[in-house]
Amino acid sequence: GNSVTQMEGPVTLSEEAFLTINCTYTATGYPSLFWYVQYPGEGLQLLLKATKADDKGSNKGFEATYRKETTSFHLEKGSVQVSDSAVYFCALMTGFQKLVFGTGTRLLVSP
Amino acid sequence: NAGVTQTPKFQVLKTGQSMTLQCAQDMNHNSMYWYRQDPGMGLRLIYYSASEGTTDKGEVPNGYNVSRLNKREFSLRLESAAPSQTSVYFCASSAGDLAGTEAFFGQGTRLTVV
Repeated sequence: GNSVTQMEGPVTLSEEAFLTINCTYTATGYPSLFWYVQYPGEGLQLLLKATKADDKGSNKGFEATYRKETTSFHLEKGSVQVSDSAVYFCALMTGFQKLVFGTGTRLLVSP
Repeated sequence: NAGVTQTPKFQVLKTGQSMTLQCAQDMNHNSMYWYRQDPGMGLRLIYYSASEGTTDKGEVPNGYNVSRLNKREFSLRLESAAPSQTSVYFCASSAGDLAGTEAFFGQGTRLTVV
């Protein structure tokens, strides 16, 4: 079946450090790929997405590239801020519009 | 600009009690979803509705029922609550007609079954 694997957290960084959160997937066909972010006490909101191979999604300084050959969609940011502290979920969507999520990675950024 | 609204936000139930979680969206979306979020498990799909009048099981449907009352509303019912259903429940909706369509989430319902 379809699945998403994310690196376990928490990821602890100092402000202005470089961030990578790894995500790999297993899916039949050609899924769309997403990163969602969840701030404390809130629901999830879309951070970025990519719908086909080699697409790069970007938003708020975050980037991720859809790599079909390695079935990966790693999230990166060049310089994190304290306000980026949240839980990040990688997800894929296949037919019938079902979103499948990874387990989430908590990011903690200290001043 | 409400988006997806869930009620209630918090609920405590005794084992065996029943309750319905309500969800409404005002974005004219076709597809709606119910997920549960548990520590270390991510979000798991309980049920979804691809369009008004249809519902389908997700990954963890046992112990739950759903109703797509109309295009706006999608409710989740626990007929006989069990402690294993203690979780945070999220409703979501999406236009559902294009690849990569964004899903919008409600604020969640934190349910504790004692």
